[in-house]
This record gives sequence, C-alpha cells and structure tokens, in this order.
Amino acid sequence: DVKVTQSSRYLVKRTGEKVFLECVQDMDHENMFWYRQDPGLGLRLIYFSYDVKMKEKGDIPEGYSVSREKKERFSLILESASTNQTSMYLCASKVFGGLNGGYTFGSGTRLTVV
Amino acid sequence: EDKVVQSPLSLVVHEGDTVTLNCSYEVTNFRSLLWYKQEKKAPTFLFMLTSSGIEKKSGRLSSILDKKELFSILNITATQTGDSAVYLCAVEARTNAGKSTFGDGTTLTVKP
Repeated sequence: DVKVTQSSRYLVKRTGEKVFLECVQDMDHENMFWYRQDPGLGLRLIYFSYDVKMKEKGDIPEGYSVSREKKERFSLILESASTNQTSMYLCASKVFGGLNGGYTFGSGTRLTVV
Repeated sequence: EDKVVQSPLSLVVHEGDTVTLNCSYEVTNFRSLLWYKQEKKAPTFLFMLTSSGIEKKSGRLSSILDKKELFSILNITATQTGDSAVYLCAVEARTNAGKSTFGDGTTLTVKP
C-alpha cells in the first residue's frame, strides 16, 4: 500500500515563526498536494507539485511556499506563521494520469499558532 | 471556478437504514468524480467515477454518476455504526495535474 507520512501529528508554534511541514510518500508518485481543512470550509488546496522542482499555486497560496527537491518529499513552509493559519494540514499524493484512483492522504498535521 | 456542493450537510440514521448522499458539481473539462470517507483522521478513497450510468460497488456502498445532470449519489445500505464519518465528494479536471476540488462533506451519524 502507498504510504504518505507527515512528520508531525500536532504542532504548536508562535506567531511570526517560520514553520516547516514535511510530507514523504513511498510509491514514486509524481503528483503531491497540500490542503488545509477547516470546519465549514472543507478542504482547500494550497499548493501542488507534478514533478521535482515543479510547483503550482492552488486556491489559497498566500502566506505559504513549498519545496520539492526530491520526488518523494514535498514540504510546506509557513514563512511567518499567523493565527489564521491554525488548521489541519493534509498532504496527499497521486500517480500521474487521471484514471488511477484517488489521492492517498497522510494522517494530517494539526497546527496551532498562538 | 470548479465547484462541488454536497447535500445534506449532516444526517442521523439508525443502524439498518439505507442512506443516499448527494453531490452536484460544476467543472471545466471534467475528468472524474471521487468519493472519500473521513473518520477521525485523513480521508480514505472509496470510488472514482468517470462514466455516466455505471455503478461502482464495494460491499454495502455503491455510487453512480450522471454527467448530463452533473451529479453523483453515494448509497449505503444496511448502515452500521462504523459507517459514521464525513463523506467527501471531489471532482478532478483534465488540466489540473490531478488536483481535486472538494465539497464540504456530509456528516453521517449512525445510531445503534
């Protein structure tokens, strides 16, 4: 089975800190994604990547950046954490091409910014 | 902008009941519609639908897509308490490297 591992289950950070959320997948998937999930707002796409060093903005990229230096790893960076970035962050991966099933998600990182 | 609307937002039933969850969508250049189940942690994939009228089935769960009317339904028969979860519907467009747009989900509670 494909496994997507997020490095932290819970994080508490202070306003203004630079925060790194790490995601690693072990099945050689080309496509990787970062979503945040908030009550009443559903899952919203922050950034995605379809290849090493390639990245595209999703629907809510402001305040975030990403890094994909290796195929298996996709990092989400909060440049200067703010309280409105308190959320559940979900990483997902998917094989290239549209007819091979859905995302495999990581277990999520619940980030609290105080 | 792609859009997915799920209904109802929440549903409470008793074990043994049959439920139908609805998903309507608007997407440019449709590729697929997907259903996920989310319990306490991350969503898990249930079904991918690409063609109208072809039912996908897994145990007590089944789903069908209507590309003309732009909706899908997820049916769960003989519900069990373990079916309690948030059910998410998502659509994928051809041009978006596999990215999906999600609905807000339907929260299903199955009481003993």
